[in-house]
Amino acid sequence: EAGVTQFPSHSVIEKGQTVTLRCDPISGHDNLYWYRRVMGKEIKFLLHFVKESKQDESGMPNNRFLAERTGGTYSTLKVQPAELEDSGVYFCASSPRPGGSDTQYFGPGTRLTVL
Amino acid sequence: QKEVEQNSGPLSVPEGAIASLNCTYSDRVSQSFFWYRQYSGKSPELIMSIYSNGDKEDGRFTAQLNKASQYVSLLIRDSQPSDSATYLCAVKRKSGSRLTFGEGTQLTVNP
Repeated sequence: EAGVTQFPSHSVIEKGQTVTLRCDPISGHDNLYWYRRVMGKEIKFLLHFVKESKQDESGMPNNRFLAERTGGTYSTLKVQPAELEDSGVYFCASSPRPGGSDTQYFGPGTRLTVL
Repeated sequence: QKEVEQNSGPLSVPEGAIASLNCTYSDRVSQSFFWYRQYSGKSPELIMSIYSNGDKEDGRFTAQLNKASQYVSLLIRDSQPSDSATYLCAVKRKSGSRLTFGEGTQLTVNP
């Protein structure tokens, strides 16, 4: 069974540009999470989807970040316009249906560098 | 005060020794506790989960939880060079699904 995949693995952009990160969860997992780790800090929660609905987006830093999960399968996280402080590693995780196992399986992350 | 704190490391142990990784958390309503291992540039990988006070053993790994002291630890017996990685402690509340992580402890096992 394929794990959580993320694309791209690395992205380098200029301040003010737009970047879109993609996450494909494990097939059949209803829960999808986005996390971020900035340099020297802990991994921090951004938001949680259950299928296509945003269950908790309290960790989103500001309105420059937009997450979508159309159709309840893959998810995208768009940063527009990117700022220097957005640099970091963005992780996606998925877990089975609500009420099932709460183990979250992580993808390898997308390393975003904003210059 | 950080919600989840881990011993800062880096931690270095000789091959075959016991590695002890510690984690404290501030939120008393935390219910689920996880240890993830992350090799450089790779996905965090779950190695242990624990939900009740006491010890939980899985092969060379033992997780220990003390909710009264708000403390969770991971012991790695017979440490191997392949155990060299960053170990992340994560906690989850009863309500909600988000994980709250510590900064991680970098472990090096020397041959």
